[in-house]
Amino acid sequence: GAVVSQHPSRVICKSGTSVKIECRSLDFQATTMFWYRQFPKKSLMLMATSNEGSKATYEQGVEKDKFLINHASLTLSTLTVTSAHPEDSSFYICSAREPGRETQYFGPGTRLLVL
Amino acid sequence: GESVGLHLPTLSVQEGDNSIINCAYSNSASDYFIWYKQESGKGPQFIIDIRSNMDKRQGQRVTVLLNKTVKHLSLQIAATQPGDSAVYFCAEARYGQNFVFGPGTRLSVLP
Repeated sequence: GAVVSQHPSRVICKSGTSVKIECRSLDFQATTMFWYRQFPKKSLMLMATSNEGSKATYEQGVEKDKFLINHASLTLSTLTVTSAHPEDSSFYICSAREPGRETQYFGPGTRLLVL
Repeated sequence: GESVGLHLPTLSVQEGDNSIINCAYSNSASDYFIWYKQESGKGPQFIIDIRSNMDKRQGQRVTVLLNKTVKHLSLQIAATQPGDSAVYFCAEARYGQNFVFGPGTRLSVLP
């Protein structure tokens, strides 16, 4: 149980284009999902908290207009990197949490490379 | 601000030996702690968690110890196997708050 998927697993795009990453909880409903960014050999950096049916809460320093988050259902959250630039290249990981529980279950991550 | 840190950034152990990965935390108000394993190119995988009202919890081949007096958390892996090679992250949280992750420890299992 507690399986979280992400799609795509890796994506290469040209500078200036937008990329959408999907995060799904496959066997449980997640009222809260989280989006993290991870640089090589570094720890996870929380970008935003996504609550179903409401606006995402962004961490300090994360541009909400650049990283659009939508949590339209209890099993799906999306992160759209708008007008991507090479510095946005990174490993993006989502996690999901069941209502009333604290444990976060992570997806497999999405490797984004912006050329 | 509060942070979660690790004593050893890398740890090498012989296959079959026991591994101990340590983590220090600074927020005495944290009441939930968790260990994740991350293999290269993959997302973190839940290993074991513990609440602040406990000082020890065991899983399959893993044990988490919590010492609130010195704000220290450790993960013990028994009979370490090559498949245990990965980066291990600890995280702390207060109820309703976001996780704070440590910098990670790389565990290398030597044949």
